[in-house]
This record gives sequence, structure tokens and C-alpha cells, in this order.
Amino acid sequence: GAVVSQHPSWVICKSGTSVKIECRSLDFQATTMFWYRQFPKQSLMLMATSNEGSKATYEQGVEKDKFLINHASLTLSTLTVTSAHPEDSSFYICSATGGETQYFGPGTRLLVL
Amino acid sequence: GNSVTQMEGPVTLSEEAFLTINCTYTATGYPSLFWYVQYPGEGLQLLLKATKADDKGSNKGFEATYRKETTSFHLEKGSVQVSDSAVYFCALIRSNFGNEKLTFGTGTRLTIIP
Repeated sequence: GAVVSQHPSWVICKSGTSVKIECRSLDFQATTMFWYRQFPKQSLMLMATSNEGSKATYEQGVEKDKFLINHASLTLSTLTVTSAHPEDSSFYICSATGGETQYFGPGTRLLVL
Repeated sequence: GNSVTQMEGPVTLSEEAFLTINCTYTATGYPSLFWYVQYPGEGLQLLLKATKADDKGSNKGFEATYRKETTSFHLEKGSVQVSDSAVYFCALIRSNFGNEKLTFGTGTRLTIIP
């Protein structure tokens, strides 16, 4: 089946630093990728829709200047958490659309100290 | 708008018990329906799907039938195992054009006791 990878799988950083998370579709091309955030024991919250070659579409309440999304190729989207703070600590999951199905990455756990 | 309502958890069952996790949806048109599973500390994995009414999705002993008349997509398994312990998410997508976002239910945490 289709595979989506994320890197890194976990990251610990100091408050005020920026963190970049990569999402790759390994065996298919994805014109659309999605970025989600998940708090402990909760469902996924869609942050933004990333379209290759164009600006991302952010959900209401998500700060576009804080969560920078770049979808430079059909197999790679990146999420950069700028000037991270402890409240940004969360589990970030991406997905990529292959045909009619969304395939999810394994997630990136971010801890901001 | 679209919405998915899932049976609230947590659900705790003994090994080999019968499992049902209810899921109903509200959507315009003819959505595709999915069940995703999330094991501890991991991302989501597609468990099964159905793209039109009366379709049955199945995988790893799990089944769900797309019931348009009751707008439901209940997940069932005849005999659960400890390894089935996970969080299960019901979801729908309104169309298959590739850029539509999934609408998720709140998730149901399942724990299977040996």
C-alpha cells in the first residue's frame, strides 16, 4: 500500500527556536497533503491543506505565520513551527492523498521546553 | 456541513468478544466512508473503506457496511484480540477529487483484556 513518511519522528527543542517537519509520499505523487495536530486522547484537528505549487489553505484559528507550510514538490511537504513555545508541544501528523484515499504519516511528536 | 458521530469510549472487552463501534454521519451527496486505527504512539492507518451505498469494507477480521438508509458505517469484529487495542476513528470524505479534507469522528479507544 501507499507509504507516507515523516521526519523527524520526535523532536525536543528550546522555546523560541523553529522546528521543521517533513512529510513525504514515498511511492506515489500527492498534489494535496494535509497537516493535523493531535492533543493527548483527542481526535485529529486539521491545521491546513497543502497544495503543490501554491499557498496552503489554513483552517480557522491556525496562525499561518506561525505554522509555515511549503509544498515544493509532488512528494514533499514541510511544516515549520516558528518560534515554538511550550503550548505548541503536540503530535503533528501529515497525510497525503493517493487516489481516493488519504494515507497518514507516522506522526512527529514535538516537545518544546 | 459534514459531520461524523462516533460511539463514545472507552470500550473495554475481553479477548474473543464481539465488537461493535457505532458510527453515523451527516453529509450531502454520496461520501466515501473510512475507518482508521491508531495504535499507541503512532499515526493513523487505514483499516477499511467503502465508497458507495451497500459496499462492505473488510480487513483483518473487521467489517463495516455503508448503509445510506440509516447513514451509518458501524465497525464490527467477531472475535477481538489483545492486539486490537487501539483508537478507532470513523471518517468521511465528501468527494474523491483528491483535495477534499476528511471529517473525523472523535475516536473510540478500545482496550482488550486477556
